[in-house]
Amino acid sequence: AQSVTQLGSHVSVSEGALVLLRCNYSSSVPPYLFWYVQYPNQGLQLLLKYTTGATLVKGINGFEAEFKKSETSFHLTKPSAHMSDAAEYFCAVSVSNSGYSTLTFGKGTMLLVSP
Amino acid sequence: NAGVTQTPKFQVLKTGQSMTLQCAQDMNHNSMYWYRQDPGMGLRLIYYSASEGTTDKGEVPNGYNVSRLNKREFSLRLESAAPSQTSVYFCASKGRTDSGANVLTFGAGSRLTVL
Repeated sequence: AQSVTQLGSHVSVSEGALVLLRCNYSSSVPPYLFWYVQYPNQGLQLLLKYTTGATLVKGINGFEAEFKKSETSFHLTKPSAHMSDAAEYFCAVSVSNSGYSTLTFGKGTMLLVSP
Repeated sequence: NAGVTQTPKFQVLKTGQSMTLQCAQDMNHNSMYWYRQDPGMGLRLIYYSASEGTTDKGEVPNGYNVSRLNKREFSLRLESAAPSQTSVYFCASKGRTDSGANVLTFGAGSRLTVL
């Protein structure tokens, strides 16, 4: 079975500050890991993904995440927050790349950005 | 634009009424999914269809049925709606990106209220 834990249902930062959203996963096999973003009243949009290879992955809008197997973590970072980054962020894990695999989501972290 | 289209966007039902949420994708994806999103719970998988002609239960299938009508369309039916089914429902399809990874593309969501 696979699971995801996101630490902190809400994270508040000031504009220009570092963004760090934490995600830990549990998986019995090497995982595929994803971060999605949801803006108000919209569907989820893929930010970035880790499948295999380089453990530091870069996504859209200046976000990046690092897969750390020893810590079972996949934390999302951005060096400098913008007001437009305010949204809810979801970490997700899948155990394979096949069409029969399903994605398990964390409960989400709401990012609040203040001027 | 290519993507996942859900209808209706909003619906109010009375307890015991039935309804069907429609979902269509035009990306030629094999796999399609229905999730529900509730505050503080993240996204939970209701049903999925790995390919045309197959459907499987997810984490929270009780009270729902699905039909994979063809490759494009995957509908979700509530036979006798209950207040506990008040939620935002998301349809998604899965397909390969240029990097070879399978990723989910989400619809904009259907907000259902059961009174």
